Amino acid sequence: GAVVSQHPSWVICKSGTSVKIECRSLDFQATTMFWYRQFPKQSLMLMATSNEGSKATYEQGVEKDKFLINHASLTLSTLTVTSAHPEDSSFYICSGFAGTERSEAFFGQGTRLTVV
Amino acid sequence: GENVEQHPSTLSVQEGDSAVIKCTYSDSASNYFPWYKQELGKRPQLIIDIRSNVGEKKDQRIAVTLNKTAKHFSLHITETQPEDSAVYFCAASRGTGGYNKLIFGAGTRLAVHP
Repeated sequence: GAVVSQHPSWVICKSGTSVKIECRSLDFQATTMFWYRQFPKQSLMLMATSNEGSKATYEQGVEKDKFLINHASLTLSTLTVTSAHPEDSSFYICSGFAGTERSEAFFGQGTRLTVV
Repeated sequence: GENVEQHPSTLSVQEGDSAVIKCTYSDSASNYFPWYKQELGKRPQLIIDIRSNVGEKKDQRIAVTLNKTAKHFSLHITETQPEDSAVYFCAASRGTGGYNKLIFGAGTRLAVHP
C-alpha cells in the first residue's frame, strides 16, 4: 500500500512554544491531506483538511491561528501547534488518500505531543 | 453535520466466538465505509471496506454488511482470536475522489479471551 511518513513520532515541549509536525506521502501525490487529533481512549477527530497550494479548511471549533497548516507541495503537509498548552497534549495523525479510486486512506505513524 | 455512531463501546468475547460491531451514519451522501483496527499508540490499519454499490463483502474471517436504506453498516468477525483484541473504528466518507474526509465512529474496544 501507499506510504505516509509522519515526523516526529513523539515530542515533548514546554508551554508557550510551537511544535511542527511533518506529514509526507512517499509514493503518491496528495493534493489533499487530513489532520486528526486523538485523545486517550477516544476516536479520531478531524481537525482540518490540508489543500496543496491553498488555505486549509478547518472543522468547527478548531482554531486556525493555533493550528497552522501548510501544504506547499504535493508530498508534504505540515501542522504547527503554536503557543502549545498542556491541553494540546494528544496524538496527532495525518492521512492521505491513494489507490486506483483514491478511496483508501493511508495514515502516518502519528505524533504523540506532550506539553509540559 | 455528519455523524457516525458506533456500538458497542466495549465488547468481550471468548476465543472462537463471533463479534459484531454496528455503525450508523447520518450523511446520506456517504458512499465509502472503511473499518480500521488500531492498537495502542499505533496508526489505524484498514481491515476491510465497502462501497455503496455493494451490500456485503467478506475477507476470510472478516465481513462487512451495508444497509443504505437504514444507513447502517456492520463488521462481523468470526472465529475470534486473542490477536483480534484491539480498538475498532468504523468510518464514512463521501465520494471516491480522494478529497473527502473520513468521519469516524467512537470506537469499540474488543477483548478476546483465551
